[in-house]
Amino acid sequence: DAGVTQSPTHLIKTRGQQVTLRCSPKSGHDTVSWYQQALGQGPQFIFQYYEEEERQRGNFPDRFSGHQFPNYSSELNVNALLLGDSALYLCASSRRGATNEKLFFGSGTQLSVL
Amino acid sequence: AQSVTQPDIHITVSEGASLELRCNYSYGATPYLFWYVQSPGQGLQLLLKYFSGDTLVQGIKGFEAEFKRSQSSFNLRKPSVHWSDAAEYFCAVAPTGNQFYFGTGTSLTVIP
Repeated sequence: DAGVTQSPTHLIKTRGQQVTLRCSPKSGHDTVSWYQQALGQGPQFIFQYYEEEERQRGNFPDRFSGHQFPNYSSELNVNALLLGDSALYLCASSRRGATNEKLFFGSGTQLSVL
Repeated sequence: AQSVTQPDIHITVSEGASLELRCNYSYGATPYLFWYVQSPGQGLQLLLKYFSGDTLVQGIKGFEAEFKRSQSSFNLRKPSVHWSDAAEYFCAVAPTGNQFYFGTGTSLTVIP
């Protein structure tokens, strides 16, 4: 049973570019959350998707957007990249209705913006 | 607003010694509380969680945590640390839904 898978593992972009990160949730999970973890910090909640819609959103600008597909996989898009967007981006999956059940995390995508 | 404070940025312990990592939270009601561990280049792995009931919670890898409502704390403990426990530890609170608030983490170094 595969856990949460994320791609790519590493990515280098330049300021102003756009990036797309991908996530496949754990089998049986229908909810995907995205977190940004800056160096030396804890993960910060970006948003959560289920039933192909954004359901909750943290304090991130609308340069950060997402999508969820019918197979529950998800994408995180960041436009107009800034140096400060450099971070580890973590995807977490869970089952809707299993309130506050533990999140299963992927290994993350390390984004470097130059 | 919800927040989690981990006052110790870095802790060093000798192998075999006991460990306590501190966590304080700010939230109006009793939240759901979690401890996660992160090894370099890895995602987060759940160690244990508290929802309700017994305030002493047992987790994986010999870890335990105690919820103290009066102190708004959820400290993580282990009686005897192993070298493989060296990692970053995060305390998290989840007041509603699946939105987790994480502390800034405590980095654990284990010396032989």
